[in-house]
Amino acid sequence: AQSVSQHNHHVILSEAASLELGCNYSYGGTVNLFWYVQYPGQHLQLLLKYFSGDPLVKGIKGFEAEFIKSKFSFNLRKPSVQWSDTAEYFCAVRDDYKLSFGAGTTVTVRA
Amino acid sequence: GAGVSQTPSNKVTEKGKYVELRCDPISGHTALYWYRQSLGQGPEFLIYFQGTGAADDSGLPNDRFFAVRPEGSVSTLKIQRTERGDSAVYLCASSPQRGGGFETQYFGPGTRLLVL
Repeated sequence: AQSVSQHNHHVILSEAASLELGCNYSYGGTVNLFWYVQYPGQHLQLLLKYFSGDPLVKGIKGFEAEFIKSKFSFNLRKPSVQWSDTAEYFCAVRDDYKLSFGAGTTVTVRA
Repeated sequence: GAGVSQTPSNKVTEKGKYVELRCDPISGHTALYWYRQSLGQGPEFLIYFQGTGAADDSGLPNDRFFAVRPEGSVSTLKIQRTERGDSAVYLCASSPQRGGGFETQYFGPGTRLLVL
């Protein structure tokens, strides 16, 4: 079964700073990759997904992620964060029909 | 449209009691999943339904856990003889019928279970 590793447990940064969250999955082949976000008091929402094609994926709210097959990675980026990006971010890989999630990264953006 | 709904939003029970957690998926979604999220962890897979049948229950931790989906829509996760270690947020997700394997799972708000 797939496993997912997220490198940072908690990231604190100031508004307008750039954000990059690391995500690695355990083995190759055809993979479907996801980033979900959980804002305070809200449920998990899909931020973006990769199924095939262009390895640079654009998501909602200015987020993007790059799939690098040779590195088994799917890192999430945003050039300039806002206070409203404070949330917990989860990387996930689809293992047949089920999702395997990383432990999550809490992002705190200071105004 | 309406998303996945789960009830109750919070449940406090005593060790040894029986609990039922309900999930109402997005209308028309034939696939339904249950996950469990412990504090500081990502969600972990419990069980997957395609229609009325449990296609994979390999994530259920032991035989105290059971889930049903009798009419292919609403699902109930049942936990017998609850233990303190069962305390977690139980998440439900649904997705459209499998077609090419490219479904996205949509999550509900979860039920926060606390076993005292």
